[in-house]
Amino acid sequence: GAVVSQHPSRVICKSGTSVKIECRSLDFQATTMFWYRQFPKQSLMLMATSNEGSKATYEQGVEKDKFLINHASLTLSTLTVTSAHPEDSSFYICSARDLGGYEQYFGPGTRLTVT
Amino acid sequence: GQNIDQPTEMTATEGAIVQINCTYQTSGFNGLFWYQQHAGEAPTFLSYNVLDGLEEKGRFSSFLSRSKGYSYLLLKELQMKDSASYLCAVMDSNYQLIWGAGTKLIIKP
Repeated sequence: GAVVSQHPSRVICKSGTSVKIECRSLDFQATTMFWYRQFPKQSLMLMATSNEGSKATYEQGVEKDKFLINHASLTLSTLTVTSAHPEDSSFYICSARDLGGYEQYFGPGTRLTVT
Repeated sequence: GQNIDQPTEMTATEGAIVQINCTYQTSGFNGLFWYQQHAGEAPTFLSYNVLDGLEEKGRFSSFLSRSKGYSYLLLKELQMKDSASYLCAVMDSNYQLIWGAGTKLIIKP
């Protein structure tokens, strides 16, 4: 149980375009979802926390107008990287937590490369 | 501020035992997690400690001392597939995970 999927697993896009990444909880209801970014050889950096039906809470230094997060249902959250730049190239990982739970279940990650 | 410290890199021999330490200073404490992360993959859950003491799960054990702000992950009978980064994370008073930078474990034959 507790499976989280992410799509796509890899994406290459051109600078200036937008990319949408989906995160789905397959067998549980994720009241809270988290979006992380990880640069090579660095630890996970929390970008934002989203609760179903409400606006995401962004960490300091993360531009909410650039990284649009939508958590419209209990099983789906999306992260849209708008006007992508090469410095946005990174490994983006989502995680989900169900109501009353403490463990975060991670998706497999999305490797974004902006050319 | 909040801080999680763990060694950057450790090397051990196949079949041996290794202990990865983690010290923390956080605003509140709602448990400590250990995750394993292979290169290019997402983290996978290993253990969760919220009370003092040792939790054993197969070849892996995790220990917590809340008074000392200290935890360790013990890996026994090391296998080559255990080569990975091991991430220590503490859940603070807001139920947010504060992550350490990870310990890269290299297993040699």
